[in-house]
Amino acid sequence: DGGITQSPKYLFRKEGQNVTLSCEQNLNHDAMYWYRQDPGQGLRLIYYSQIVNDFQKGDIAEGYSVSREKKESFPLTVTSAQKNPTAFYLCASSIPAANYGYTFGSGTRLTVV
Amino acid sequence: AQKVTQAQTEISVVEKEDVTLDCVYETRDTTYYLFWYKQPPSGELVFLIRRNSFDEQNEISGRYSWNFQKSTSSFNFTITASQVVDSAVYFCALSEAPAGNTPLVFGKGTRLSVIA
Repeated sequence: DGGITQSPKYLFRKEGQNVTLSCEQNLNHDAMYWYRQDPGQGLRLIYYSQIVNDFQKGDIAEGYSVSREKKESFPLTVTSAQKNPTAFYLCASSIPAANYGYTFGSGTRLTVV
Repeated sequence: AQKVTQAQTEISVVEKEDVTLDCVYETRDTTYYLFWYKQPPSGELVFLIRRNSFDEQNEISGRYSWNFQKSTSSFNFTITASQVVDSAVYFCALSEAPAGNTPLVFGKGTRLSVIA
C-alpha cells in the first residue's frame, strides 16, 4: 500500500546532539512538508520541498535543516541550535490540485533528555 | 496573510449529542481552499474534506456535515449523534492555491472528547 513512513516513532536526544528524522513516501508525490506540533500550538511549518533538490523555509526553520536528494525522501535534521526541540514532528506529501489535500505520516515524537 | 482561528480549544460532549466545531479564516485571495483533518490518538492526520472558495454548498457525509459561509469567513464542522470514536483533535486548514505544492496553514485545533 502507498503511504508515508516516518521513523522512528519515538526518539530521544541528548542536549547538544544533532538528530535526523526520516520521512519516506511511495506515493510519487512531488511536494513534501515538515510540520512541528506542540500542545495548544497546532501545526507549524518547518520546511517544504516542491521538487527534488529544492526546498524552502517555513515559519519556524531556525535550528532545522533538510535535504531532498530523492523524490521519495525528505529527512529532517534537528540541530543543536534548536533550543526547544521536544515536540511531535509530522511529515506530509501532496501532488498538485489533489482533492485529498495532504497525506500525513504517523509522526515522530522527539524528546530531549 | 493567511490565518485560521479555531476558538474552541477543547469540547466535551456526551455520546449521541450533536457538536459543532468552529473555524474562522482570513485571506486576501479570492481563490482559496479549506480543509478539515482529524487527528486520532495515534497521531496521524486523516483528511476529512476539501472545499474551494467558489463552492458554498454545504456538504454532508454520513454523520458529518460542513457549513461554508463566505460572508462570515467561516467553515464549521458538525458531527451529528457523536460517538466515542469521534474523540480526536480536529484541525481546520487553509490554502491560497490548489492544495498541491502550497503549504497549508492550520488552526490550533479543537480537542473533542465524546464521553460514553
